[in-house]
Amino acid sequence: GESVGLHLPTLSVQEGDNSIINCAYSNSASDYFIWYKQESGKGPQFIIDIRSNMDKRQGQRVTVLLNKTVKHLSLQIAATQPGDSAVYFCAEINQAGTALIFGKGTTLSVSS
Amino acid sequence: DGGITQSPKYLFRKEGQNVTLSCEQNLNHDAMYWYRQDPGQGLRLIYYSQIVNDFQKGDIAEGYSVSREKKESFPLTVTSAQKNPTAFYLCASSTGQGGIQYFGAGTRLSVL
Repeated sequence: GESVGLHLPTLSVQEGDNSIINCAYSNSASDYFIWYKQESGKGPQFIIDIRSNMDKRQGQRVTVLLNKTVKHLSLQIAATQPGDSAVYFCAEINQAGTALIFGKGTTLSVSS
Repeated sequence: DGGITQSPKYLFRKEGQNVTLSCEQNLNHDAMYWYRQDPGQGLRLIYYSQIVNDFQKGDIAEGYSVSREKKESFPLTVTSAQKNPTAFYLCASSTGQGGIQYFGAGTRLSVL
């Protein structure tokens, strides 16, 4: 079936550390994935996306890695800052290609 | 400022009452979506619309209704048939199906 999940519900890091947030998906036919950041009381904000024909994509301080063999997605945040504290969701396009399926989210806490 | 505007930010519903949540976008996006988010959970799709005067049910459409009379607007009505309406409701839009979705700031609905 279609489902997207995250390995850990919470992650605590020190300011300046690198953070890695993981996500496992179940649909091997999924061809598009998105990472969102949601701050408390706000709507999700687009961070970065990746298509299945890529293994890696980099943005500003963020990198997404896709391992299709084990159906695993990760978001790496370099030099984590207090402003990065939020809930991070991975999402995949459903089989019909019409909507996103979201995981439950990982809460990232950054202490200074 | 281009974006997605949801109103009101907070809404209270009395038992047996229908309430309507507003979502307006000025991004010229064709597709619009409604999600429900419960505490500590990911987003679940209620309804989506790929074009004016057309919409489809998502995973949890029971107790909700929508309309899409204008490209810019996609209001969601929470009917009295929805027995557990307390949640954070998020509206999103995208240029087409399967693309990056951009979210509004959300409406928090509570039951009196």
